[in-house]
Amino acid sequence: DAKTTQPPSMDCAEGRAANLPCNHSTISGNEYVYWYRQIHSQGPQYIIHGLKNNETNEMASLIITEDRKSSTLILPHATLRDTAVYYCIGVPTGSYQLTFGKGTKLSVIP
Amino acid sequence: DAGVTQSPTHLIKTRGQQVTLRCSPKSGHDTVSWYQQALGQGPQFIFQYYEEEERQRGNFPDRFSGHQFPNYSSELNVNALLLGDSALYLCASSRQGASTDTQYFGPGTRLTVL
Repeated sequence: DAKTTQPPSMDCAEGRAANLPCNHSTISGNEYVYWYRQIHSQGPQYIIHGLKNNETNEMASLIITEDRKSSTLILPHATLRDTAVYYCIGVPTGSYQLTFGKGTKLSVIP
Repeated sequence: DAGVTQSPTHLIKTRGQQVTLRCSPKSGHDTVSWYQQALGQGPQFIFQYYEEEERQRGNFPDRFSGHQFPNYSSELNVNALLLGDSALYLCASSRQGASTDTQYFGPGTRLTVL
C-alpha cells in the first residue's frame, strides 16, 4: 500500500474552500485514493475516492495529479461541522484493509 | 436505508474478563471488518469476515476472535482483557464484488478496561 503524507493540521475560514493535500508518491497503478474523515469520537465517514480522474460528489471534489503522486480534497464551502480529522488512504484494488495514518486535523474557524 | 450499527455504545470491563461486541452491516453489504482505535491514533485493522470466514487478519493476538453469521452480522470477541485493550472498536461493512469495495463505518463501541 502506498505511504501517504498529510500535513498534521490546517485551518480554514467558515464559508471558504478547504483544500487538503496528500502526497502518495509510491502509489501503484491499481491503487485507489480514498478519503475519510472522523469527527471527534465518531466512526470514520467515507467522503470520496478516485483512481486517475478527478471526482466530485455531494460532499467534496477530489483532484488527482496526472502522475498520481499527489491529490487534493476540496470542500467547496467549509462549515463548522466540517471540523474533523481527514485521512487520505491508498487502497490497492481488491485490498481488504484500510491503513490509516495520522491524517490532517482541519479546524474550520468562524 | 439503515447504516452500520454497533452495540453496545459503551462498555466497562475489568482486566482478565472477556467481551463481545456486535455489528450489523449496512443493508446490501456482506463483508464486515473490525478496527481498533486507541486514543489519539488512527484506526488499526483487526480482521475481515466474508462468507462466515476470517479472510484477512491484522497484527493482533489470538485473544481477538470473531464470527460472522448467515445474516452477515458479526461479533468481535476479546479474551483476557488487558488495560491496553481500552479503545474505540469500529465495525465497517462493504459489498464483495463492488468495483472498489468501499467500507462504511459504524459509530463504534467504546471499551474501557479497568
